[in-house]
Amino acid sequence: QQQVKQSPQSLIVQKGGISIINCAYENTAFDYFPWYQQFPGKGPALLIAIRPDVSEKKEGRFTISFNKSAKQFSLHIMDSQPGDSATYFCAAWEDTGFQKLVFGTGTRLLVSP
Amino acid sequence: DAGVIQSPRHEVTEMGQEVTLRCKPISGHNSLFWYRQTMMRGLELLIYFNNNVPIDDSGMPEDRFSAKMPNASFSTLKIQPSEPRDSAVYFCASRDLAGGTQYFGPGTRLLVL
Repeated sequence: QQQVKQSPQSLIVQKGGISIINCAYENTAFDYFPWYQQFPGKGPALLIAIRPDVSEKKEGRFTISFNKSAKQFSLHIMDSQPGDSATYFCAAWEDTGFQKLVFGTGTRLLVSP
Repeated sequence: DAGVIQSPRHEVTEMGQEVTLRCKPISGHNSLFWYRQTMMRGLELLIYFNNNVPIDDSGMPEDRFSAKMPNASFSTLKIQPSEPRDSAVYFCASRDLAGGTQYFGPGTRLLVL
């Protein structure tokens, strides 16, 4: 199964709060899990990524938590800011076969002032 | 580096006309991807190339769509004839096979009337 399931579809968080976006996958061959951030009128841009040999990766206010046994991973945005308002996509990469990224359906985040 | 370059940034055309979208990948990247993004279907992979060779075109919606990569620094996505349902934002992305990070261009916003 190639799909990556992402939730929620949209999210409203108050400034200073924690934003949490969840993704789940089925294909155990996936071995690289990036998150992309997209602002209106722009292309998606890599935000942070993780490989399944670690359970957590943190870069500034952004943290990926990875649960290999549950085949789930999530993005946490601490101290969310209005400038974080964007659409976030999780993705998974299979380094065998066709070597392509499979994207989730996206989460539209709005951080209210 | 200038990043992935796409042209035109906006295209408005009438149904039945031929549309050609262009992409220049990041120098040194040997994988190139074409995506389509709509509100209804999200981010869809149309086709991708490794070393200028089409690897997977299973996402190309129908025969009206074609893509070429005549050399490592240029690719085109052509729609002939165009239809209103082709209206979307089309993204090109490139990746270094060794690096893992995929970089997106700014997109071409296509409107077919």
